[in-house]
Amino acid sequence: DAKTTQPPSMDCAEGRAANLPCNHSTISGNEYVYWYRQIHSQGPQYIIHGLKNNETNEMASLIITEDRKSSTLILPHATLRDTAVYYCIVRAITGNQFYFGTGTSLTVIP
Amino acid sequence: GAGVSQSPSNKVTEKGKDVELRCDPISGHTALYWYRQSLGQGLEFLIYFQGNSAPDKSGLPSDRFSAERTGGSVSTLTIQRTQQEDSAVYLCASGVGAKTQYFGPGTRLLVL
Repeated sequence: DAKTTQPPSMDCAEGRAANLPCNHSTISGNEYVYWYRQIHSQGPQYIIHGLKNNETNEMASLIITEDRKSSTLILPHATLRDTAVYYCIVRAITGNQFYFGTGTSLTVIP
Repeated sequence: GAGVSQSPSNKVTEKGKDVELRCDPISGHTALYWYRQSLGQGLEFLIYFQGNSAPDKSGLPSDRFSAERTGGSVSTLTIQRTQQEDSAVYLCASGVGAKTQYFGPGTRLLVL
């Protein structure tokens, strides 16, 4: 049970911001939102995670709605190397498992 | 190295044979996960180790699958009597506690 819903694919022009949405309407108060990405033939790579507040790091920004039922991962200036499958995951603080689902396949177009 | 390493990177075996896949986690990481990813699919959780606690084996698909973690570090995933449907990429991840996971490059298993 992935507990998240993401569009199967998206395109983004190189240099533009890529905004990847995720719905997690059944999220509970003790569950974080995590984002990972998987570039072809590589293992998944951690991007960012958050609980309630918006988060930013060197890779991306995470915007979580006030009701926490959805979030958006923002890659501010997409490059061709950002082409990957992006996974949005919700997971309890004390949970063992990360349910990856099928993610969003982002293609950055030159 | 600084990251999670897995070996072998590729494994081709015949149906019915046993295989062992190895994972070397990042030093100091107490949590270790095994996943598998079939072609074009998302990641499927297999098993989770946390320190000296009993592992969470709830994702293992059958009793042909087992895993050990020796000394709280290296882990071995064993698949007995392999079947063609076992063909997949097997990914290992480690982390501190049960928080963020860092993945290895995976082992690509092909069962003929």
